[in-house]
Amino acid sequence: EADIYQTPRYLVIGTGKKITLECSQTMGHDKMYWYQQDPGMELHLIHYSYGVNSTEKGDLSSESTVSRIRTEHFPLTLESARPSHTSQYLCASSESGALSGEQYFGPGTRLTVT
Amino acid sequence: GQQLNQSPQSMFIQEGEDVSMNCTSSSIFNTWLWYKQDPGEGPVLLIALYKAGELTSNGRLTAQFGITRKDSFLNISASIPSDVGIYFCAGRKGSGNTGKLIFGQGTTLQVKP
Repeated sequence: EADIYQTPRYLVIGTGKKITLECSQTMGHDKMYWYQQDPGMELHLIHYSYGVNSTEKGDLSSESTVSRIRTEHFPLTLESARPSHTSQYLCASSESGALSGEQYFGPGTRLTVT
Repeated sequence: GQQLNQSPQSMFIQEGEDVSMNCTSSSIFNTWLWYKQDPGEGPVLLIALYKAGELTSNGRLTAQFGITRKDSFLNISASIPSDVGIYFCAGRKGSGNTGKLIFGQGTTLQVKP
């Protein structure tokens, strides 16, 4: 059973606000990821980290930023939210090594920017 | 960019029927994974495949890693109402510590009791 948590689950916020989406995992996984997903659509990687103090941009350009100060914590921040940021944001983690392809997902944060 | 083509896009079947969906690509992948996503939740890993030709089962689910390494399929036997959801394939090109997942567009499955 994967132990990866995201808060908040739902967030409605006005344009221009700064927000931070939280993601934590208790499995000791080195690798963590953020995906953006529109309803019923495919997942797009926006950020990933292979360990503490390591962050990389994903395949889909995003105005968000991430940090990885602790192994278990991988928050995503939007400095100034816009309606175009409305989407579901999914956090995932995986082991290193041979099983690193197996990513385990949190429940997601559904963000609405008005 | 690289893309996975997943089909069918949606399926509406009767309870008890078998289901088959597949994923194809023009690129070779070293790992194939199948996920199920319920509404408002994150995807849950169903099956992971690591070798070409590999056939793996998880209960009523069976998945295969295509011999060309460019495709994979997922079968669900004797479908039940709780099978409803969106099924995603994902491929990874790297091995070991490298390689990111590329996701298919998803297959929406509806089961009529």
